[in-house]
Amino acid sequence: QLQLQESGPGLVKPSETLSLTCTVSGGSISSSSYSWGWIRQPPGKGLEWIGSFYYSGSTYYNPSLKSRVTIFVDSSRNQFSLKLSSVAAADSAVYYCARQVVAVVGTAPDYFDYWGQGTLVTVSS
Amino acid sequence: DIVMTQSPDSLAVSLGERATINCKSSQSVLYSSNNKDYLAWYQQKLGQPPKLLIYWASTRESGVPDRFSGSGSGTDFTLTINSLQAEDVAVYYCQQHYSTPYTFGQGTKLEIK
Repeated sequence: QLQLQESGPGLVKPSETLSLTCTVSGGSISSSSYSWGWIRQPPGKGLEWIGSFYYSGSTYYNPSLKSRVTIFVDSSRNQFSLKLSSVAAADSAVYYCARQVVAVVGTAPDYFDYWGQGTLVTVSS
Repeated sequence: DIVMTQSPDSLAVSLGERATINCKSSQSVLYSSNNKDYLAWYQQKLGQPPKLLIYWASTRESGVPDRFSGSGSGTDFTLTINSLQAEDVAVYYCQQHYSTPYTFGQGTKLEIK
C-alpha cells in the first residue's frame, strides 16, 4: 500500500524559505508511470496546485508561484521536496504531497491518486 | 489558466436521496486525439486529504462505491451520488488535468438534510 508522509517545520517566519519533504513508502519514486506533486490548501479554503516533478527530470510549476518554487527529488531516499522562498502570511496552508498518474509515458501528468495526510505550515513572526 | 466553477457551493440532501454537483470549465478539457475528458473528482472529509473518486470524467477509481458516478464532456460535468449515505458528508472538488496549471473548482459542501 502506497503511503506518503509530509515533514517539515510547522512555523516559518515571513520572508524566509519554507522547506517540506515527502517520504514515499510502498512504491518507487522513480517509476515512469507517476509524477510527484505538491498541493496546498489555506485553512477553510480550496485546493491550489503548486507543482509536480517527473522522474525524467521534468518539472511543472504553477506560474503564480514559479519564481519562488523548487521541487526536487532524492531517489536514493525515495523522497521529494518542496522549497518555497520569500514566504508571506498568504502562504499559510496545509501542504499536501501527492502521487500523480502519468497515463501516457512521456506526457504531462494527470490526476492525483494518492495523497499524504498534509502538514500545516503557518507563516508568522 | 482554466477556471473551474462548481455549483452549488453547498447542498443538503436527505439520506437515501440523490445528490448532484456540477462543474464547468472555462474552456474544453476534451482532448480530441484520444477523446478523453481530462476531468477528475475528489472527496474531502473534514480533517482528511482529498480522495480520488472519478477520473477521465466518468471512470470510477478502484474501491469507490458505485453510487458515485461522473458524467459530462467538453466544459460541463456532473458528479452524481445516488442513495446518499451519512458517510458521504464532505466537500467535493473537480479538477482539470488538461493543461497546467492544474486547477480545482472552489468545492461543494454536501450535508445531510
